[in-house]
Amino acid sequence: DSGVTQTPKHLITATGQRVTLRCSPRSGDLSVYWYQQSLDQGLQFLIQYYNGEERAKGNILERFSAQQFPDLHSELNLSSLELGDSALYFCASSADRGETQYFGPGTRLLVL
Amino acid sequence: GQNIDQPTEMTATEGAIVQINCTYQTSGFNGLFWYQQHAGEAPTFLSYNVLDGLEEKGRFSSFLSRSKGYSYLLLKELQMKDSASYLCAVERQGGKLIFGQGTELSVKP
Repeated sequence: DSGVTQTPKHLITATGQRVTLRCSPRSGDLSVYWYQQSLDQGLQFLIQYYNGEERAKGNILERFSAQQFPDLHSELNLSSLELGDSALYFCASSADRGETQYFGPGTRLLVL
Repeated sequence: GQNIDQPTEMTATEGAIVQINCTYQTSGFNGLFWYQQHAGEAPTFLSYNVLDGLEEKGRFSSFLSRSKGYSYLLLKELQMKDSASYLCAVERQGGKLIFGQGTELSVKP
């Protein structure tokens, strides 16, 4: 158990819908990362937050947004969902950049 | 542009040593990560190299040469449980991470 929790574990939805994925970091970790992993694209970095502020942005689509709240949990919002958004979404936390990242179990999203 | 290359597959024998290479071309290089991922599981952070040289952590070591755009992950005393995908990722200035496609390592008895 990494200490990082993600909910829900599985999500099935339809194209055009909007979903919210939630991540609670390890106690004491200020940094949260979001990743997407699909079969054809591999692991992709989406975005990083540190202590509530956006720190780094990867290949995150405009239809996607994220935030980190004062209690340090983070949410990833995916809207106008397309079939190609079906993937595993991982959250990871660390104390700071370059420190060990601890991954959550992931949320498996299926868009039908 | 940016490009990260690592071998797609490698096979090694239990008890042996294996070296997984990663070459990269990118502007604004900050550091390099290695992750391990077993099938069906979340990735596990292995190492982060910023400076040139070798960093050792138990059976795993990671090496970086910034001038050559090259890194490797060295696994010693291979065990069956080391069969997994190994991902290298470049961190660019600003914090953006770019992943390679991963190396699938099979450890045979």
